Amino acid sequence: DAGVIQSPRHEVTEMGQEVTLRCKPISGHNSLFWYRQTMMRGLELLIYFNNNVPIDDSGMPEDRFSAKMPNASFSTLKIQPSEPRDSAVYFCASSYSALQSSGANVLTFGAGSRLTVL
Amino acid sequence: GQNIDQPTEMTATEGAIVQINCTYQTSGFNGLFWYQQHAGEAPTFLSYNVLDGLEEKGRFSSFLSRSKGYSYLLLKELQMKDSASYLCAVRGLNQAGTALIFGKGTTLSVSS
Repeated sequence: DAGVIQSPRHEVTEMGQEVTLRCKPISGHNSLFWYRQTMMRGLELLIYFNNNVPIDDSGMPEDRFSAKMPNASFSTLKIQPSEPRDSAVYFCASSYSALQSSGANVLTFGAGSRLTVL
Repeated sequence: GQNIDQPTEMTATEGAIVQINCTYQTSGFNGLFWYQQHAGEAPTFLSYNVLDGLEEKGRFSSFLSRSKGYSYLLLKELQMKDSASYLCAVRGLNQAGTALIFGKGTTLSVSS
């Protein structure tokens, strides 16, 4: 298995520009998570999907952030307009789980997308 | 809400044993995880506890006390390659029951 695939790996953009980050989860996984990591705040959950449906987006910082999962094999996280404070590493992770599941349901992370907004 | 605390940094020498503590306060609990993250890389899964007690996996062990909201990760026979950040994460109770909330991580430096 190729694991969770994220693109781009690195993005440098100017303030005000639109940024789109992409994620392909592991085949067969039905839960997908977007996290953001910074030195100050650590690894923060932004949003997650179960069976392509957004379950909890309370971690999305503001309306400039949006996420979609049009099918089981693809998700996007969009920032429009971007700001310097959005600079971070954005991780996508996936797992298999059922609602109200027990068991480990281990999250597997992608390599991350490092975003720099100038 | 949820709060997860762990020390920011720890240092140790090769061959030693180190214990990384984690305390948590959550509105619900459905498992505690430890992840390892090397600089510039993605977090990778180390261990999972949902019942009280010790889980051993090679050089690494993880302990959980649900009544105390406490866990630790024990690393034995430290090697240089164990220098990394160790993230404690809790899965709360929610509609899908799968999201993990992470602590800020403990950066472990192993010296020779």
